[in-house]
Amino acid sequence: QSALTQPASVSGSPGQSITISCTGTSSDVGGYNYVSWYQHHPGRAPKLMIYDVSNRPSGLSTRFSGSKSGNTASLTISGLQAEDEADYYCSSYTRSRDVVFGGGTKVTVL
Amino acid sequence: QVQLVESGGGVVQPGRSLRLSCAASGFTFSGYAMHWVRQAPGKGLEWVAFISYDGSDKYYADSVKGRFTISRDNSKNTLYLQMNSLRAEDTAVYYCARDGKVFTYHYSYMDAWGKGTTVTVSS
Repeated sequence: QSALTQPASVSGSPGQSITISCTGTSSDVGGYNYVSWYQHHPGRAPKLMIYDVSNRPSGLSTRFSGSKSGNTASLTISGLQAEDEADYYCSSYTRSRDVVFGGGTKVTVL
Repeated sequence: QVQLVESGGGVVQPGRSLRLSCAASGFTFSGYAMHWVRQAPGKGLEWVAFISYDGSDKYYADSVKGRFTISRDNSKNTLYLQMNSLRAEDTAVYYCARDGKVFTYHYSYMDAWGKGTTVTVSS
């Protein structure tokens, strides 16, 4: 159950686009389309942003998008806004039938 | 609306036990699998355990296997986490979360989360 690999931090100016990568193996990210992304503001409940690699929950801003290539999934935030500043985590189903999260990425809006 | 409310956290000595509860409302609890996820101080999210909608399938993180037990009472719309042989490294905020797909026997995604309950293991 090794954690998925994410960059520790990503930053961007308001209006810019940023991309967060999430690298796993063929036993998790590469083997299933059960990849999801969560936004977490400290002290609050995590929030689902993307599920099944690229689907957005109803009502979520279209500025958030997801994709996958091989063993690496990505979350892109376009038109960066101050309210996007938070920690972001990827997650995947695994061959062992359990769940693995990434180490988390702190997004800073400059 | 969907609501998940955790309770049962507190300060406990190493080696002791604690049971967490998660009261669900606003949806048909018996149709959804559930998870426990934790976040230790200064660390990221860590998945702890999964239980299928009917309670027949359960999976655990290696770090808690053999010490923690997940269960549910669909008649009471409540999820539980029995934590035995607690260690300092179990100190964390514990969240319950709903799996996003109905009648599933494995993880898909977590579409609703509680606000968490804090467990501190310390002598």
